[in-house]
Amino acid sequence: EAQVTQNPRYLITVTGKKLTVTCSQNMNHEYMSWYRQDPGLGLRQIYYSMNVEVTDKGDVPEGYKVSRKEKRNFPLILESPSPNQTSLYFCASNSGGSGTQYFGPGTRLLVL
Amino acid sequence: GENVEQHPSTLSVQEGDSAVIKCTYSDSASNYFPWYKQELGKRPQLIIDIRSNVGEKKDQRIAVTLNKTAKHFSLHITETQPEDSAVYFCAARRGAGGTSYGKLTFGQGTILTVHP
Repeated sequence: EAQVTQNPRYLITVTGKKLTVTCSQNMNHEYMSWYRQDPGLGLRQIYYSMNVEVTDKGDVPEGYKVSRKEKRNFPLILESPSPNQTSLYFCASNSGGSGTQYFGPGTRLLVL
Repeated sequence: GENVEQHPSTLSVQEGDSAVIKCTYSDSASNYFPWYKQELGKRPQLIIDIRSNVGEKKDQRIAVTLNKTAKHFSLHITETQPEDSAVYFCAARRGAGGTSYGKLTFGQGTILTVHP
């Protein structure tokens, strides 16, 4: 089954404790993205990747890192999480620059 | 960069009525405009999309129109049903030939409530 998976689905952590949210897709898509969703602000892009080893900042990259060492994986790293990073995070992938974007199930993060 | 504005932020209709959600975009290089539906607690899912070489597209009760000159596009849902209640997002994607190719920018979302 074609899908985008994320782990963990729920995470509670404390300020400053490094964490990684994994994202994996099995559709051989070149493009992968990370979004955060906050009430009233829609989906804001954090980082995106056009292919292996090619990444670029989205609209709200501060406080986040990403890497794309393999085509199927695109982890999101929070080196020193802060409470303002409490949010719902979605990973997504699509084929090329014009293909349909598929979303993962989401990761709900609470930073205390 | 691209900026997408979406209105209204909330929309309440009676079952059977039509619903219209409007979006405007700023980047004339954008050429792909998808609409996503997000039900409570779930991921956004594509419901319809339109490319810049087309003015209108329809899929059963859902239609999207695009006015490139005015840089706005709209989602039309006819004969609404309670299961249409969800958050709807529009988005715009930049075409090839420049920086940020493939980047998808979303509107702020519209909460649609269909009352039985």
